[in-house]
Amino acid sequence: DGGITQSPKYLFRKEGQNVTLSCEQNLNHDAMYWYRQDPGQGLRLIYYSQIVNDFQKGDIAEGYSVSREKKESFPLTVTSAQKNPTAFYLCASSQGWEFGNQPQHFGDGTRLSIL
Amino acid sequence: DQQVKQNSPSLSVQEGRISILNCDYTNSMFDYFLWYKKYPAEGPTFLISISSIKDKNEDGRFTVFLNKSAKHLSLHIVPSQPGDSAVYFCAASARIAQKLVFGTGTRLLVSP
Repeated sequence: DGGITQSPKYLFRKEGQNVTLSCEQNLNHDAMYWYRQDPGQGLRLIYYSQIVNDFQKGDIAEGYSVSREKKESFPLTVTSAQKNPTAFYLCASSQGWEFGNQPQHFGDGTRLSIL
Repeated sequence: DQQVKQNSPSLSVQEGRISILNCDYTNSMFDYFLWYKKYPAEGPTFLISISSIKDKNEDGRFTVFLNKSAKHLSLHIVPSQPGDSAVYFCAASARIAQKLVFGTGTRLLVSP
């Protein structure tokens, strides 16, 4: 079955610690995205990548970093510079925009909490 | 600056009746609109989309209507079922921007 796998499902971070959230897709999608959801809010875009070895900042990129070394993988690092990291993090992918407008498909998320 | 707004945080409907979820947008460059359904602790699931060249798209019990002059779209679910109880997000994109903008969601409760 094709899909998007996020791991771990739950993650705890100590103050001053960097943590990395994994996102893997086997849909052969070119584009991948990271969102953050806070209670009562919509999804806010952190970073996105349209192609391997290239990525752009979204609306709330401060305190986060990403890499896109392989088409199927788009890990997100939450750095110690992110002062309010507690949230539900969602990874998504879609076909490239050269195919026209395409829906994004989501993983089941990682809930990050601060110890 | 909230470009996509869902002004109703919640909606309650009886099983078998119609559910109507609304969404307003401000950016006239948006040309693609989507609805997602989300259960707690899961990722959103794509439901239905519509291009700005259309005013209606139907898929089974789900129909999306787009009113470009009013910058308004709605999702109709007929008939509503208890399994439809979830949070529904509308989203919009402008191809030039190559990213989705999400509303804050409407929680739908369908009671038996």
